[in-house]
Amino acid sequence: RKEVEQDPGPFNVPEGATVAFNCTYSNSASQSFFWYRQDCRKEPKLLMSVYSSGNEDGRFTAQLNRASQYISLLIRDSKLSDSATYLCAVTRGSTLGRLYFGRGTQLTVWP
Amino acid sequence: DVKVTQSSRYLVKRTGEKVFLECVQDMDHENMFWYRQDPGLGLRLIYFSYDVKMKEKGDIPEGYSVSREKKERFSLILESASTNQTSMYLCASSLYPGSGANVLTFGAGSRLTVL
Repeated sequence: RKEVEQDPGPFNVPEGATVAFNCTYSNSASQSFFWYRQDCRKEPKLLMSVYSSGNEDGRFTAQLNRASQYISLLIRDSKLSDSATYLCAVTRGSTLGRLYFGRGTQLTVWP
Repeated sequence: DVKVTQSSRYLVKRTGEKVFLECVQDMDHENMFWYRQDPGLGLRLIYFSYDVKMKEKGDIPEGYSVSREKKERFSLILESASTNQTSMYLCASSLYPGSGANVLTFGAGSRLTVL
């Protein structure tokens, strides 16, 4: 079983829509959780960390469900500029800072 | 801002050539990583290093080696390039342990084509 799994999409939504991505992880010892954004032909960049109590950054909300071992990303009021691939990443406590990435979910926001 | 610089954005090499990919970070990070990224396969870890002269195998180390002689520099070496090593190579670094631990900063990538 893969360490981290994501629905690859693509998700195609109109501007202004709300869209949610989930990401499941297999190791219950995972300790840190992140969402990265990757634009076409660019490197991944940190979008936000995911905290146990959930956290929000503007139109973006991240949630962690340890019992079911998944993290989620909600994007409200989608903009054209949100079009990208969203990668989730998790760590395990004993792996010296190594991140395990999902394969990414592709989002296209259309006008 | 942390900057991770990869020396070459685009390379074209021939099968059997030795290839060096260089990566330098300027924020005194302990951890450095080499990933490759291929369509449909996502990011796959080749090697990582958590200290000078230390290295750990990732998920796909075969056909690659690494060198970390200085803290800021992590090199990926393809001893004898093959066509199945055509890929985007991404270097990353993180501060671990410490605040912001595990947050990776990536370089812009090196797109390698092996003919």
